Amino acid sequence: DAKTTQPNSMESNEEEPVHLPCNHSTISGTDYIHWYRQLPSQGPEYVIHGLTSNVNNRMASLAIAEDRKSSTLILHRATLRDAAVYYCIPNTGFQKLVFGTGTRLLVSP
Amino acid sequence: DTEVTQTPKHLVMGMTNKKSLKCEQHMGHRAMYWYKQKAKKPPELMFVYSYEKLSINESVPSRFSPECPNSSLLNLHLHALQPEDSALYLCASSQAGFGVDEKLFFGSGTQLSVL
Repeated sequence: DAKTTQPNSMESNEEEPVHLPCNHSTISGTDYIHWYRQLPSQGPEYVIHGLTSNVNNRMASLAIAEDRKSSTLILHRATLRDAAVYYCIPNTGFQKLVFGTGTRLLVSP
Repeated sequence: DTEVTQTPKHLVMGMTNKKSLKCEQHMGHRAMYWYKQKAKKPPELMFVYSYEKLSINESVPSRFSPECPNSSLLNLHLHALQPEDSALYLCASSQAGFGVDEKLFFGSGTQLSVL
């Protein structure tokens, strides 16, 4: 399984952009990079995923480095509701989505 | 409907009890998953069912017994658990389980306490 490295925690102020980095230098060429987040007292929820190109959806943007060894999840305007643990996960497609330790995002008013 | 429903939300059981956790989805997904999450830790994969057949067992002790009666329903039968099995048990589903771009949909979990 590809290993990921994420900061343990990050802080942001409300309505500011947040850039959450992830290092996945051992990722294989066909693994998609998935991001999930887990709000307090809830199960994880899907945020975004991509392979090579940058991706946007209503929740966030995903910027993938050209060499695919790292990616950055971008929340354009953080809200208090975005306070969660964010997990970056390479998906090998063999039914095993393996969670790393993730980044705890704290958002201040 | 993009919901995965887990019942009960909370469960307290003794070490000699037998109990079951239930998970249901109506998205037409054919892969279903059990994860275990200890406090302040990431979820850990336990079992995967694909097309109602067990495809992955991550060396889980036999006191945990999964069952997939149909494509919408997943159970986890619990027997003779230990206090260290206390955790949040999460169920998830996905379309088929084989796609690198498949999304997992998670339930809110069952918080289990073993006394």
